[in-house]
Amino acid sequence: GENVEQHPSTLSVQEGDSAVIKCTYSDSASNYFPWYKQELGKGPQLIIDIRSNVGEKKDQRIAVTLNKTAKHFSLHITETQPEDSAVYFCAAREVTGGGNKLTFGTGTQLKVEL
Amino acid sequence: DAGITQSPRHKVTETGTPVTLRCHQTENHRYMYWYRQDPGHGLRLIHYSYGVKDTDKGEVSDGYSVSRSKTEDFLLTLESATSSQTSVYFCAIKQTGGEGYTFGSGTRLTVV
Repeated sequence: GENVEQHPSTLSVQEGDSAVIKCTYSDSASNYFPWYKQELGKGPQLIIDIRSNVGEKKDQRIAVTLNKTAKHFSLHITETQPEDSAVYFCAAREVTGGGNKLTFGTGTQLKVEL
Repeated sequence: DAGITQSPRHKVTETGTPVTLRCHQTENHRYMYWYRQDPGHGLRLIHYSYGVKDTDKGEVSDGYSVSRSKTEDFLLTLESATSSQTSVYFCAIKQTGGEGYTFGSGTRLTVV
């Protein structure tokens, strides 16, 4: 099955700086890569996603890049704000085996300091 | 949030007792999933369903069973709860006709 690794596990930045979270995946057949933000006590919320036929996608201060050859994808947050503080998860969707299953990374605790 | 409701939100139970968690959706999505979340492990798939009475195992299915007798409800059962099953459990659905997966608010289960 798919295996997703995520780094770093914790990230602290100053307000206004950029933050980058990186993930690698193992199954070259995986074709969809979402990123989720989870605030304390809540369920994960989708913030951006990318399909395997696209190299980059942006949505205001958030962008995701995908390198299929290297099997890695990254989340970029610019001009960070205190409300960006949360746990972020990357995921990859398995194609083999059916079920449209998402395999998640272990999460990154992002702290934006004033 | 795509009409997903998990119940209960919190539960404390004793070792060896059966426990059932419920996930209810209101939009007739075909795919439903149960994940558990533990520190250092992220979200791990327990079981999933791709239709009424159609279910399959995920990565960490031992000690769990599921049932889906109607489209809107996906039940997760711990037949005999153990302390290792203390966790936060999330239900998710895959949006029909789209790529997105939407999560419920979670159930915090403590086995004492």
